[in-house]
Amino acid sequence: QKEVEQNSGPLSVPEGAIASLNCTYSDRVSQSFFWYRQYSGKSPELIMSIYSNGDKEDGRFTAQLNKASQYVSLLIRDSQPSDSATYLCAMESGGGADGLTFGKGTHLIIQP
Amino acid sequence: EPEVTQTPSHQVTQMGQEVILRCVPISNHLYFYWYRQILGQKVEFLVSFYNNEISEKSEIFDDQFSVERPDGSNFTLKIRSTKLEDSAMYFCASIPGINTGELFFGEGSRLTVL
Repeated sequence: QKEVEQNSGPLSVPEGAIASLNCTYSDRVSQSFFWYRQYSGKSPELIMSIYSNGDKEDGRFTAQLNKASQYVSLLIRDSQPSDSATYLCAMESGGGADGLTFGKGTHLIIQP
Repeated sequence: EPEVTQTPSHQVTQMGQEVILRCVPISNHLYFYWYRQILGQKVEFLVSFYNNEISEKSEIFDDQFSVERPDGSNFTLKIRSTKLEDSAMYFCASIPGINTGELFFGEGSRLTVL
């Protein structure tokens, strides 16, 4: 059974600070990892993808992957109120056909 | 920018009725998916569709569910006899090729079963 675990939060962070979101997964075969942002009542929107160990930076976002520890994280620098949303961690381990396994998401609140 | 479109945005139905949810994936995409999200819960994979047939389906996708691509553009999810527990947001998604989880999601269809 593939599982993706996230702390549901809410995680409250002051505006301008760094928000750190964490995710662990159970399937050692997993190859690809993704962070999606979901505003309330809306569909998930891809923020970052990461496929190899280490860090990947894109603007204010940095994804970190450690396959040995089965751990993925997302850092959001200079947090803005518009970053307030639920962040979904997802993994893919079977190619395109199997779809993604999502975590339940972490609710992030950026306090102005 | 091309997008995945879904209709209806919200449907209310009586238990036991049939429901069809429609999606128009991005035109040059190859893999199509349906996902479900019950209120307050995680996004769950239902089914993937490639080359006009089902590629994979989850345990949730039982005999009451079916998918088809009747005209080469629309991609539909049919729920034959709805149950209360089918109430959820249903998302259609597509990707341009395999080995990528960079899904393009539609805005979703909210299904309420009374």
